[in-house]
Amino acid sequence: SYELTQPPSLSVSLGQTATISCSGERLGDKYVCWYQQRPGQSPILVIYQDEKRPSGIPERFSGSNSGNTATLNISGAQAVDEAEYYCQVWVSNTVTFGGGTKLTVL
Amino acid sequence: QLQLQESGPRLVRPSETLSLSCSVSSGTFTSSNDYWGWVRQPPGKGLEWIGTIYYSVNTYYNSSLESRVTISVDTSKNQFSLSLRSVTAADTALYLCARRVAGTFHFDFWGQGILVTVSS
Repeated sequence: SYELTQPPSLSVSLGQTATISCSGERLGDKYVCWYQQRPGQSPILVIYQDEKRPSGIPERFSGSNSGNTATLNISGAQAVDEAEYYCQVWVSNTVTFGGGTKLTVL
Repeated sequence: QLQLQESGPRLVRPSETLSLSCSVSSGTFTSSNDYWGWVRQPPGKGLEWIGTIYYSVNTYYNSSLESRVTISVDTSKNQFSLSLRSVTAADTALYLCARRVAGTFHFDFWGQGILVTVSS
């Protein structure tokens, strides 16, 4: 089965850029999406098709995907961005989630 | 705006069957063009895909759960359902339903989730 690897945690200072990675074999050949999940809430889609933002998601969220690594960037991280972030792909009609990255905004 | 709402027993005994429903709130349950899925999250852990149903009959399951899972659709009730057999404490989790539109590769709408505990 396909696997996605994320760092378990990341800390960023308020107003700085947070970069969360997601790695998998030939990940650049697949569409990656990212979800934000705050404690006690269901996931929210923040990036889809590698780099697209759903309506209502702030412009400070951006994504890229190439080679074996996809990246979620949060420019000018805010306290409200503190959450768990998951990458996800569909491979042959099956879904794989990354293990999640807990983002702390200091 | 599409809304999804999970429902079902919050306590299930070991070896029994966990049965949940997801009610889809919209003008029409247009299941023909959408994938309907279940995801779970054990307390303090990450997201795990359980399975997805498409066109009411095409099902796709996580290989680790496939022998115990059935997902079905009831268009007359605007619902789709999850059945997980022979549960153990390891199946204790927040269960979430979600939608994926055909031609896309993400879940765009999620339910709020229901915490199901497996315990005697």
